[in-house]
Amino acid sequence: EAGVVQSPRYKIIEKKQPVAFWCNPISGHNTLYWYRQNLGQGPELLIRYENEEAVDDSQLPKDRFSAERLKGVDSTLKIQPAELGDSAVYLCASSLPETNEKLFFGSGTQLSVL
Amino acid sequence: RKEVEQDPGPFNVPEGATVAFNCTYSNSASQSFFWYRQDCRKEPKLLMSVYSSGNEDGRFTAQLNRASQYISLLIRDSKLSDSATYLCVVHNQAGTALIFGKGTTLSVSS
Repeated sequence: EAGVVQSPRYKIIEKKQPVAFWCNPISGHNTLYWYRQNLGQGPELLIRYENEEAVDDSQLPKDRFSAERLKGVDSTLKIQPAELGDSAVYLCASSLPETNEKLFFGSGTQLSVL
Repeated sequence: RKEVEQDPGPFNVPEGATVAFNCTYSNSASQSFFWYRQDCRKEPKLLMSVYSSGNEDGRFTAQLNRASQYISLLIRDSKLSDSATYLCVVHNQAGTALIFGKGTTLSVSS
């Protein structure tokens, strides 16, 4: 069974540039999460989707971050413009609705903003 | 107070040692608790859930003390392959998303 797929694996950009991350969750997993993990910290939730609806985006910095999951499957997370403090690993995870404690994470996208 | 607090370590132990990690959480309404494991430069993976009565999975024992809002993970007979970061995880108040601690790093040496 294919796991959660994320791309790119690494991204290096200059500050003020835009960047986008892509995630394909496990087939059949209706719930999709974007987490951000800074070095030495645990993952922090940015946004959670149930199908195509963003049901919790309270931690998403909406001035520069946006996300979409148009058909309730793949999702993209965008930052525009990126700042130095956005350097982190961006993790996508998915779960079945009835087992939302067992998250399956992708390998993440490591973002470096120079 | 942070929602989930852990001692970051690192814990450096020899093979065969017993090691315990502790975690406290701030939201008394939390209902679900977990330990996730994260290897270096890898994604977190569920290690085990934590039940009120305590639960065991091989060499791993998890315990919950609701009154003290305290969770523990005990690893017996440590193996080199146990070296990783162990993340204490609690459901948020709505029960809709997981809140992760900073993690405790374990290094097991021969």
